[in-house]
Amino acid sequence: EVQLVESGGGLVKPGGSLRLSCAASGFTFSSYSMNWVRQAPGKGLEWVSSISSSSSYIYYADSVKGRFTISRDNAKNSLYLQMNSLRAEDTAVYYCARDPPGYKGFDYWGQGTLVTVSS
Amino acid sequence: EIVMTQSPATLSVSPGERATLSCRASQSVSSNLAWYQQKPGQAPRLLIYGASTRATGIPARFSGSGSGTEFTLTISSLQSEDFAVYYCQQYNNWPPSLTFGGGTKVEIK
Repeated sequence: EVQLVESGGGLVKPGGSLRLSCAASGFTFSSYSMNWVRQAPGKGLEWVSSISSSSSYIYYADSVKGRFTISRDNAKNSLYLQMNSLRAEDTAVYYCARDPPGYKGFDYWGQGTLVTVSS
Repeated sequence: EIVMTQSPATLSVSPGERATLSCRASQSVSSNLAWYQQKPGQAPRLLIYGASTRATGIPARFSGSGSGTEFTLTISSLQSEDFAVYYCQQYNNWPPSLTFGGGTKVEIK
């Protein structure tokens, strides 16, 4: 069974940093691109960042470029999101999502982890 | 950036009735469109990709159609578990970018 489990969310002050993790199981993690998608409270979905299976290709939404860094460790079946210079508008539930080859939508999602940026 | 507009924002439907949700793209996205369902407190669930292909395990009452800039998600006979928010997503320029619509909430009439 495919499972994605996020962790690392919490309350952080504006300007602070946080590192999110996503533990993957039930599939060959090293064969899939992975993504972070966020959802502000009561709002819609926003794609944040993507990383290819071997980390060769990395992309960011303009809203987080220069502040967030995506990475992965295929030996540990884990995906990460390092978030620096956090702003109030980064407050959201952050989901990791699997991106199958040939792009057929994000077919599996984690349960999400809440990041709250507030003083 | 391609902007995705969903309508209506809220759709009130009785169980057993048909629901038709619309999604419009600000420019052509060919058939590079997906639909997701999200229930309160849960992660999104992939329903449709390629505008009309059902994802694994998705019931046949869900169908997608359209191409270019106009897309439709139809739920042929609403079940109680179908009341949720539905999002469309375009991935025509993926990577590096994709965008979601603002969502349509399907509620019980």
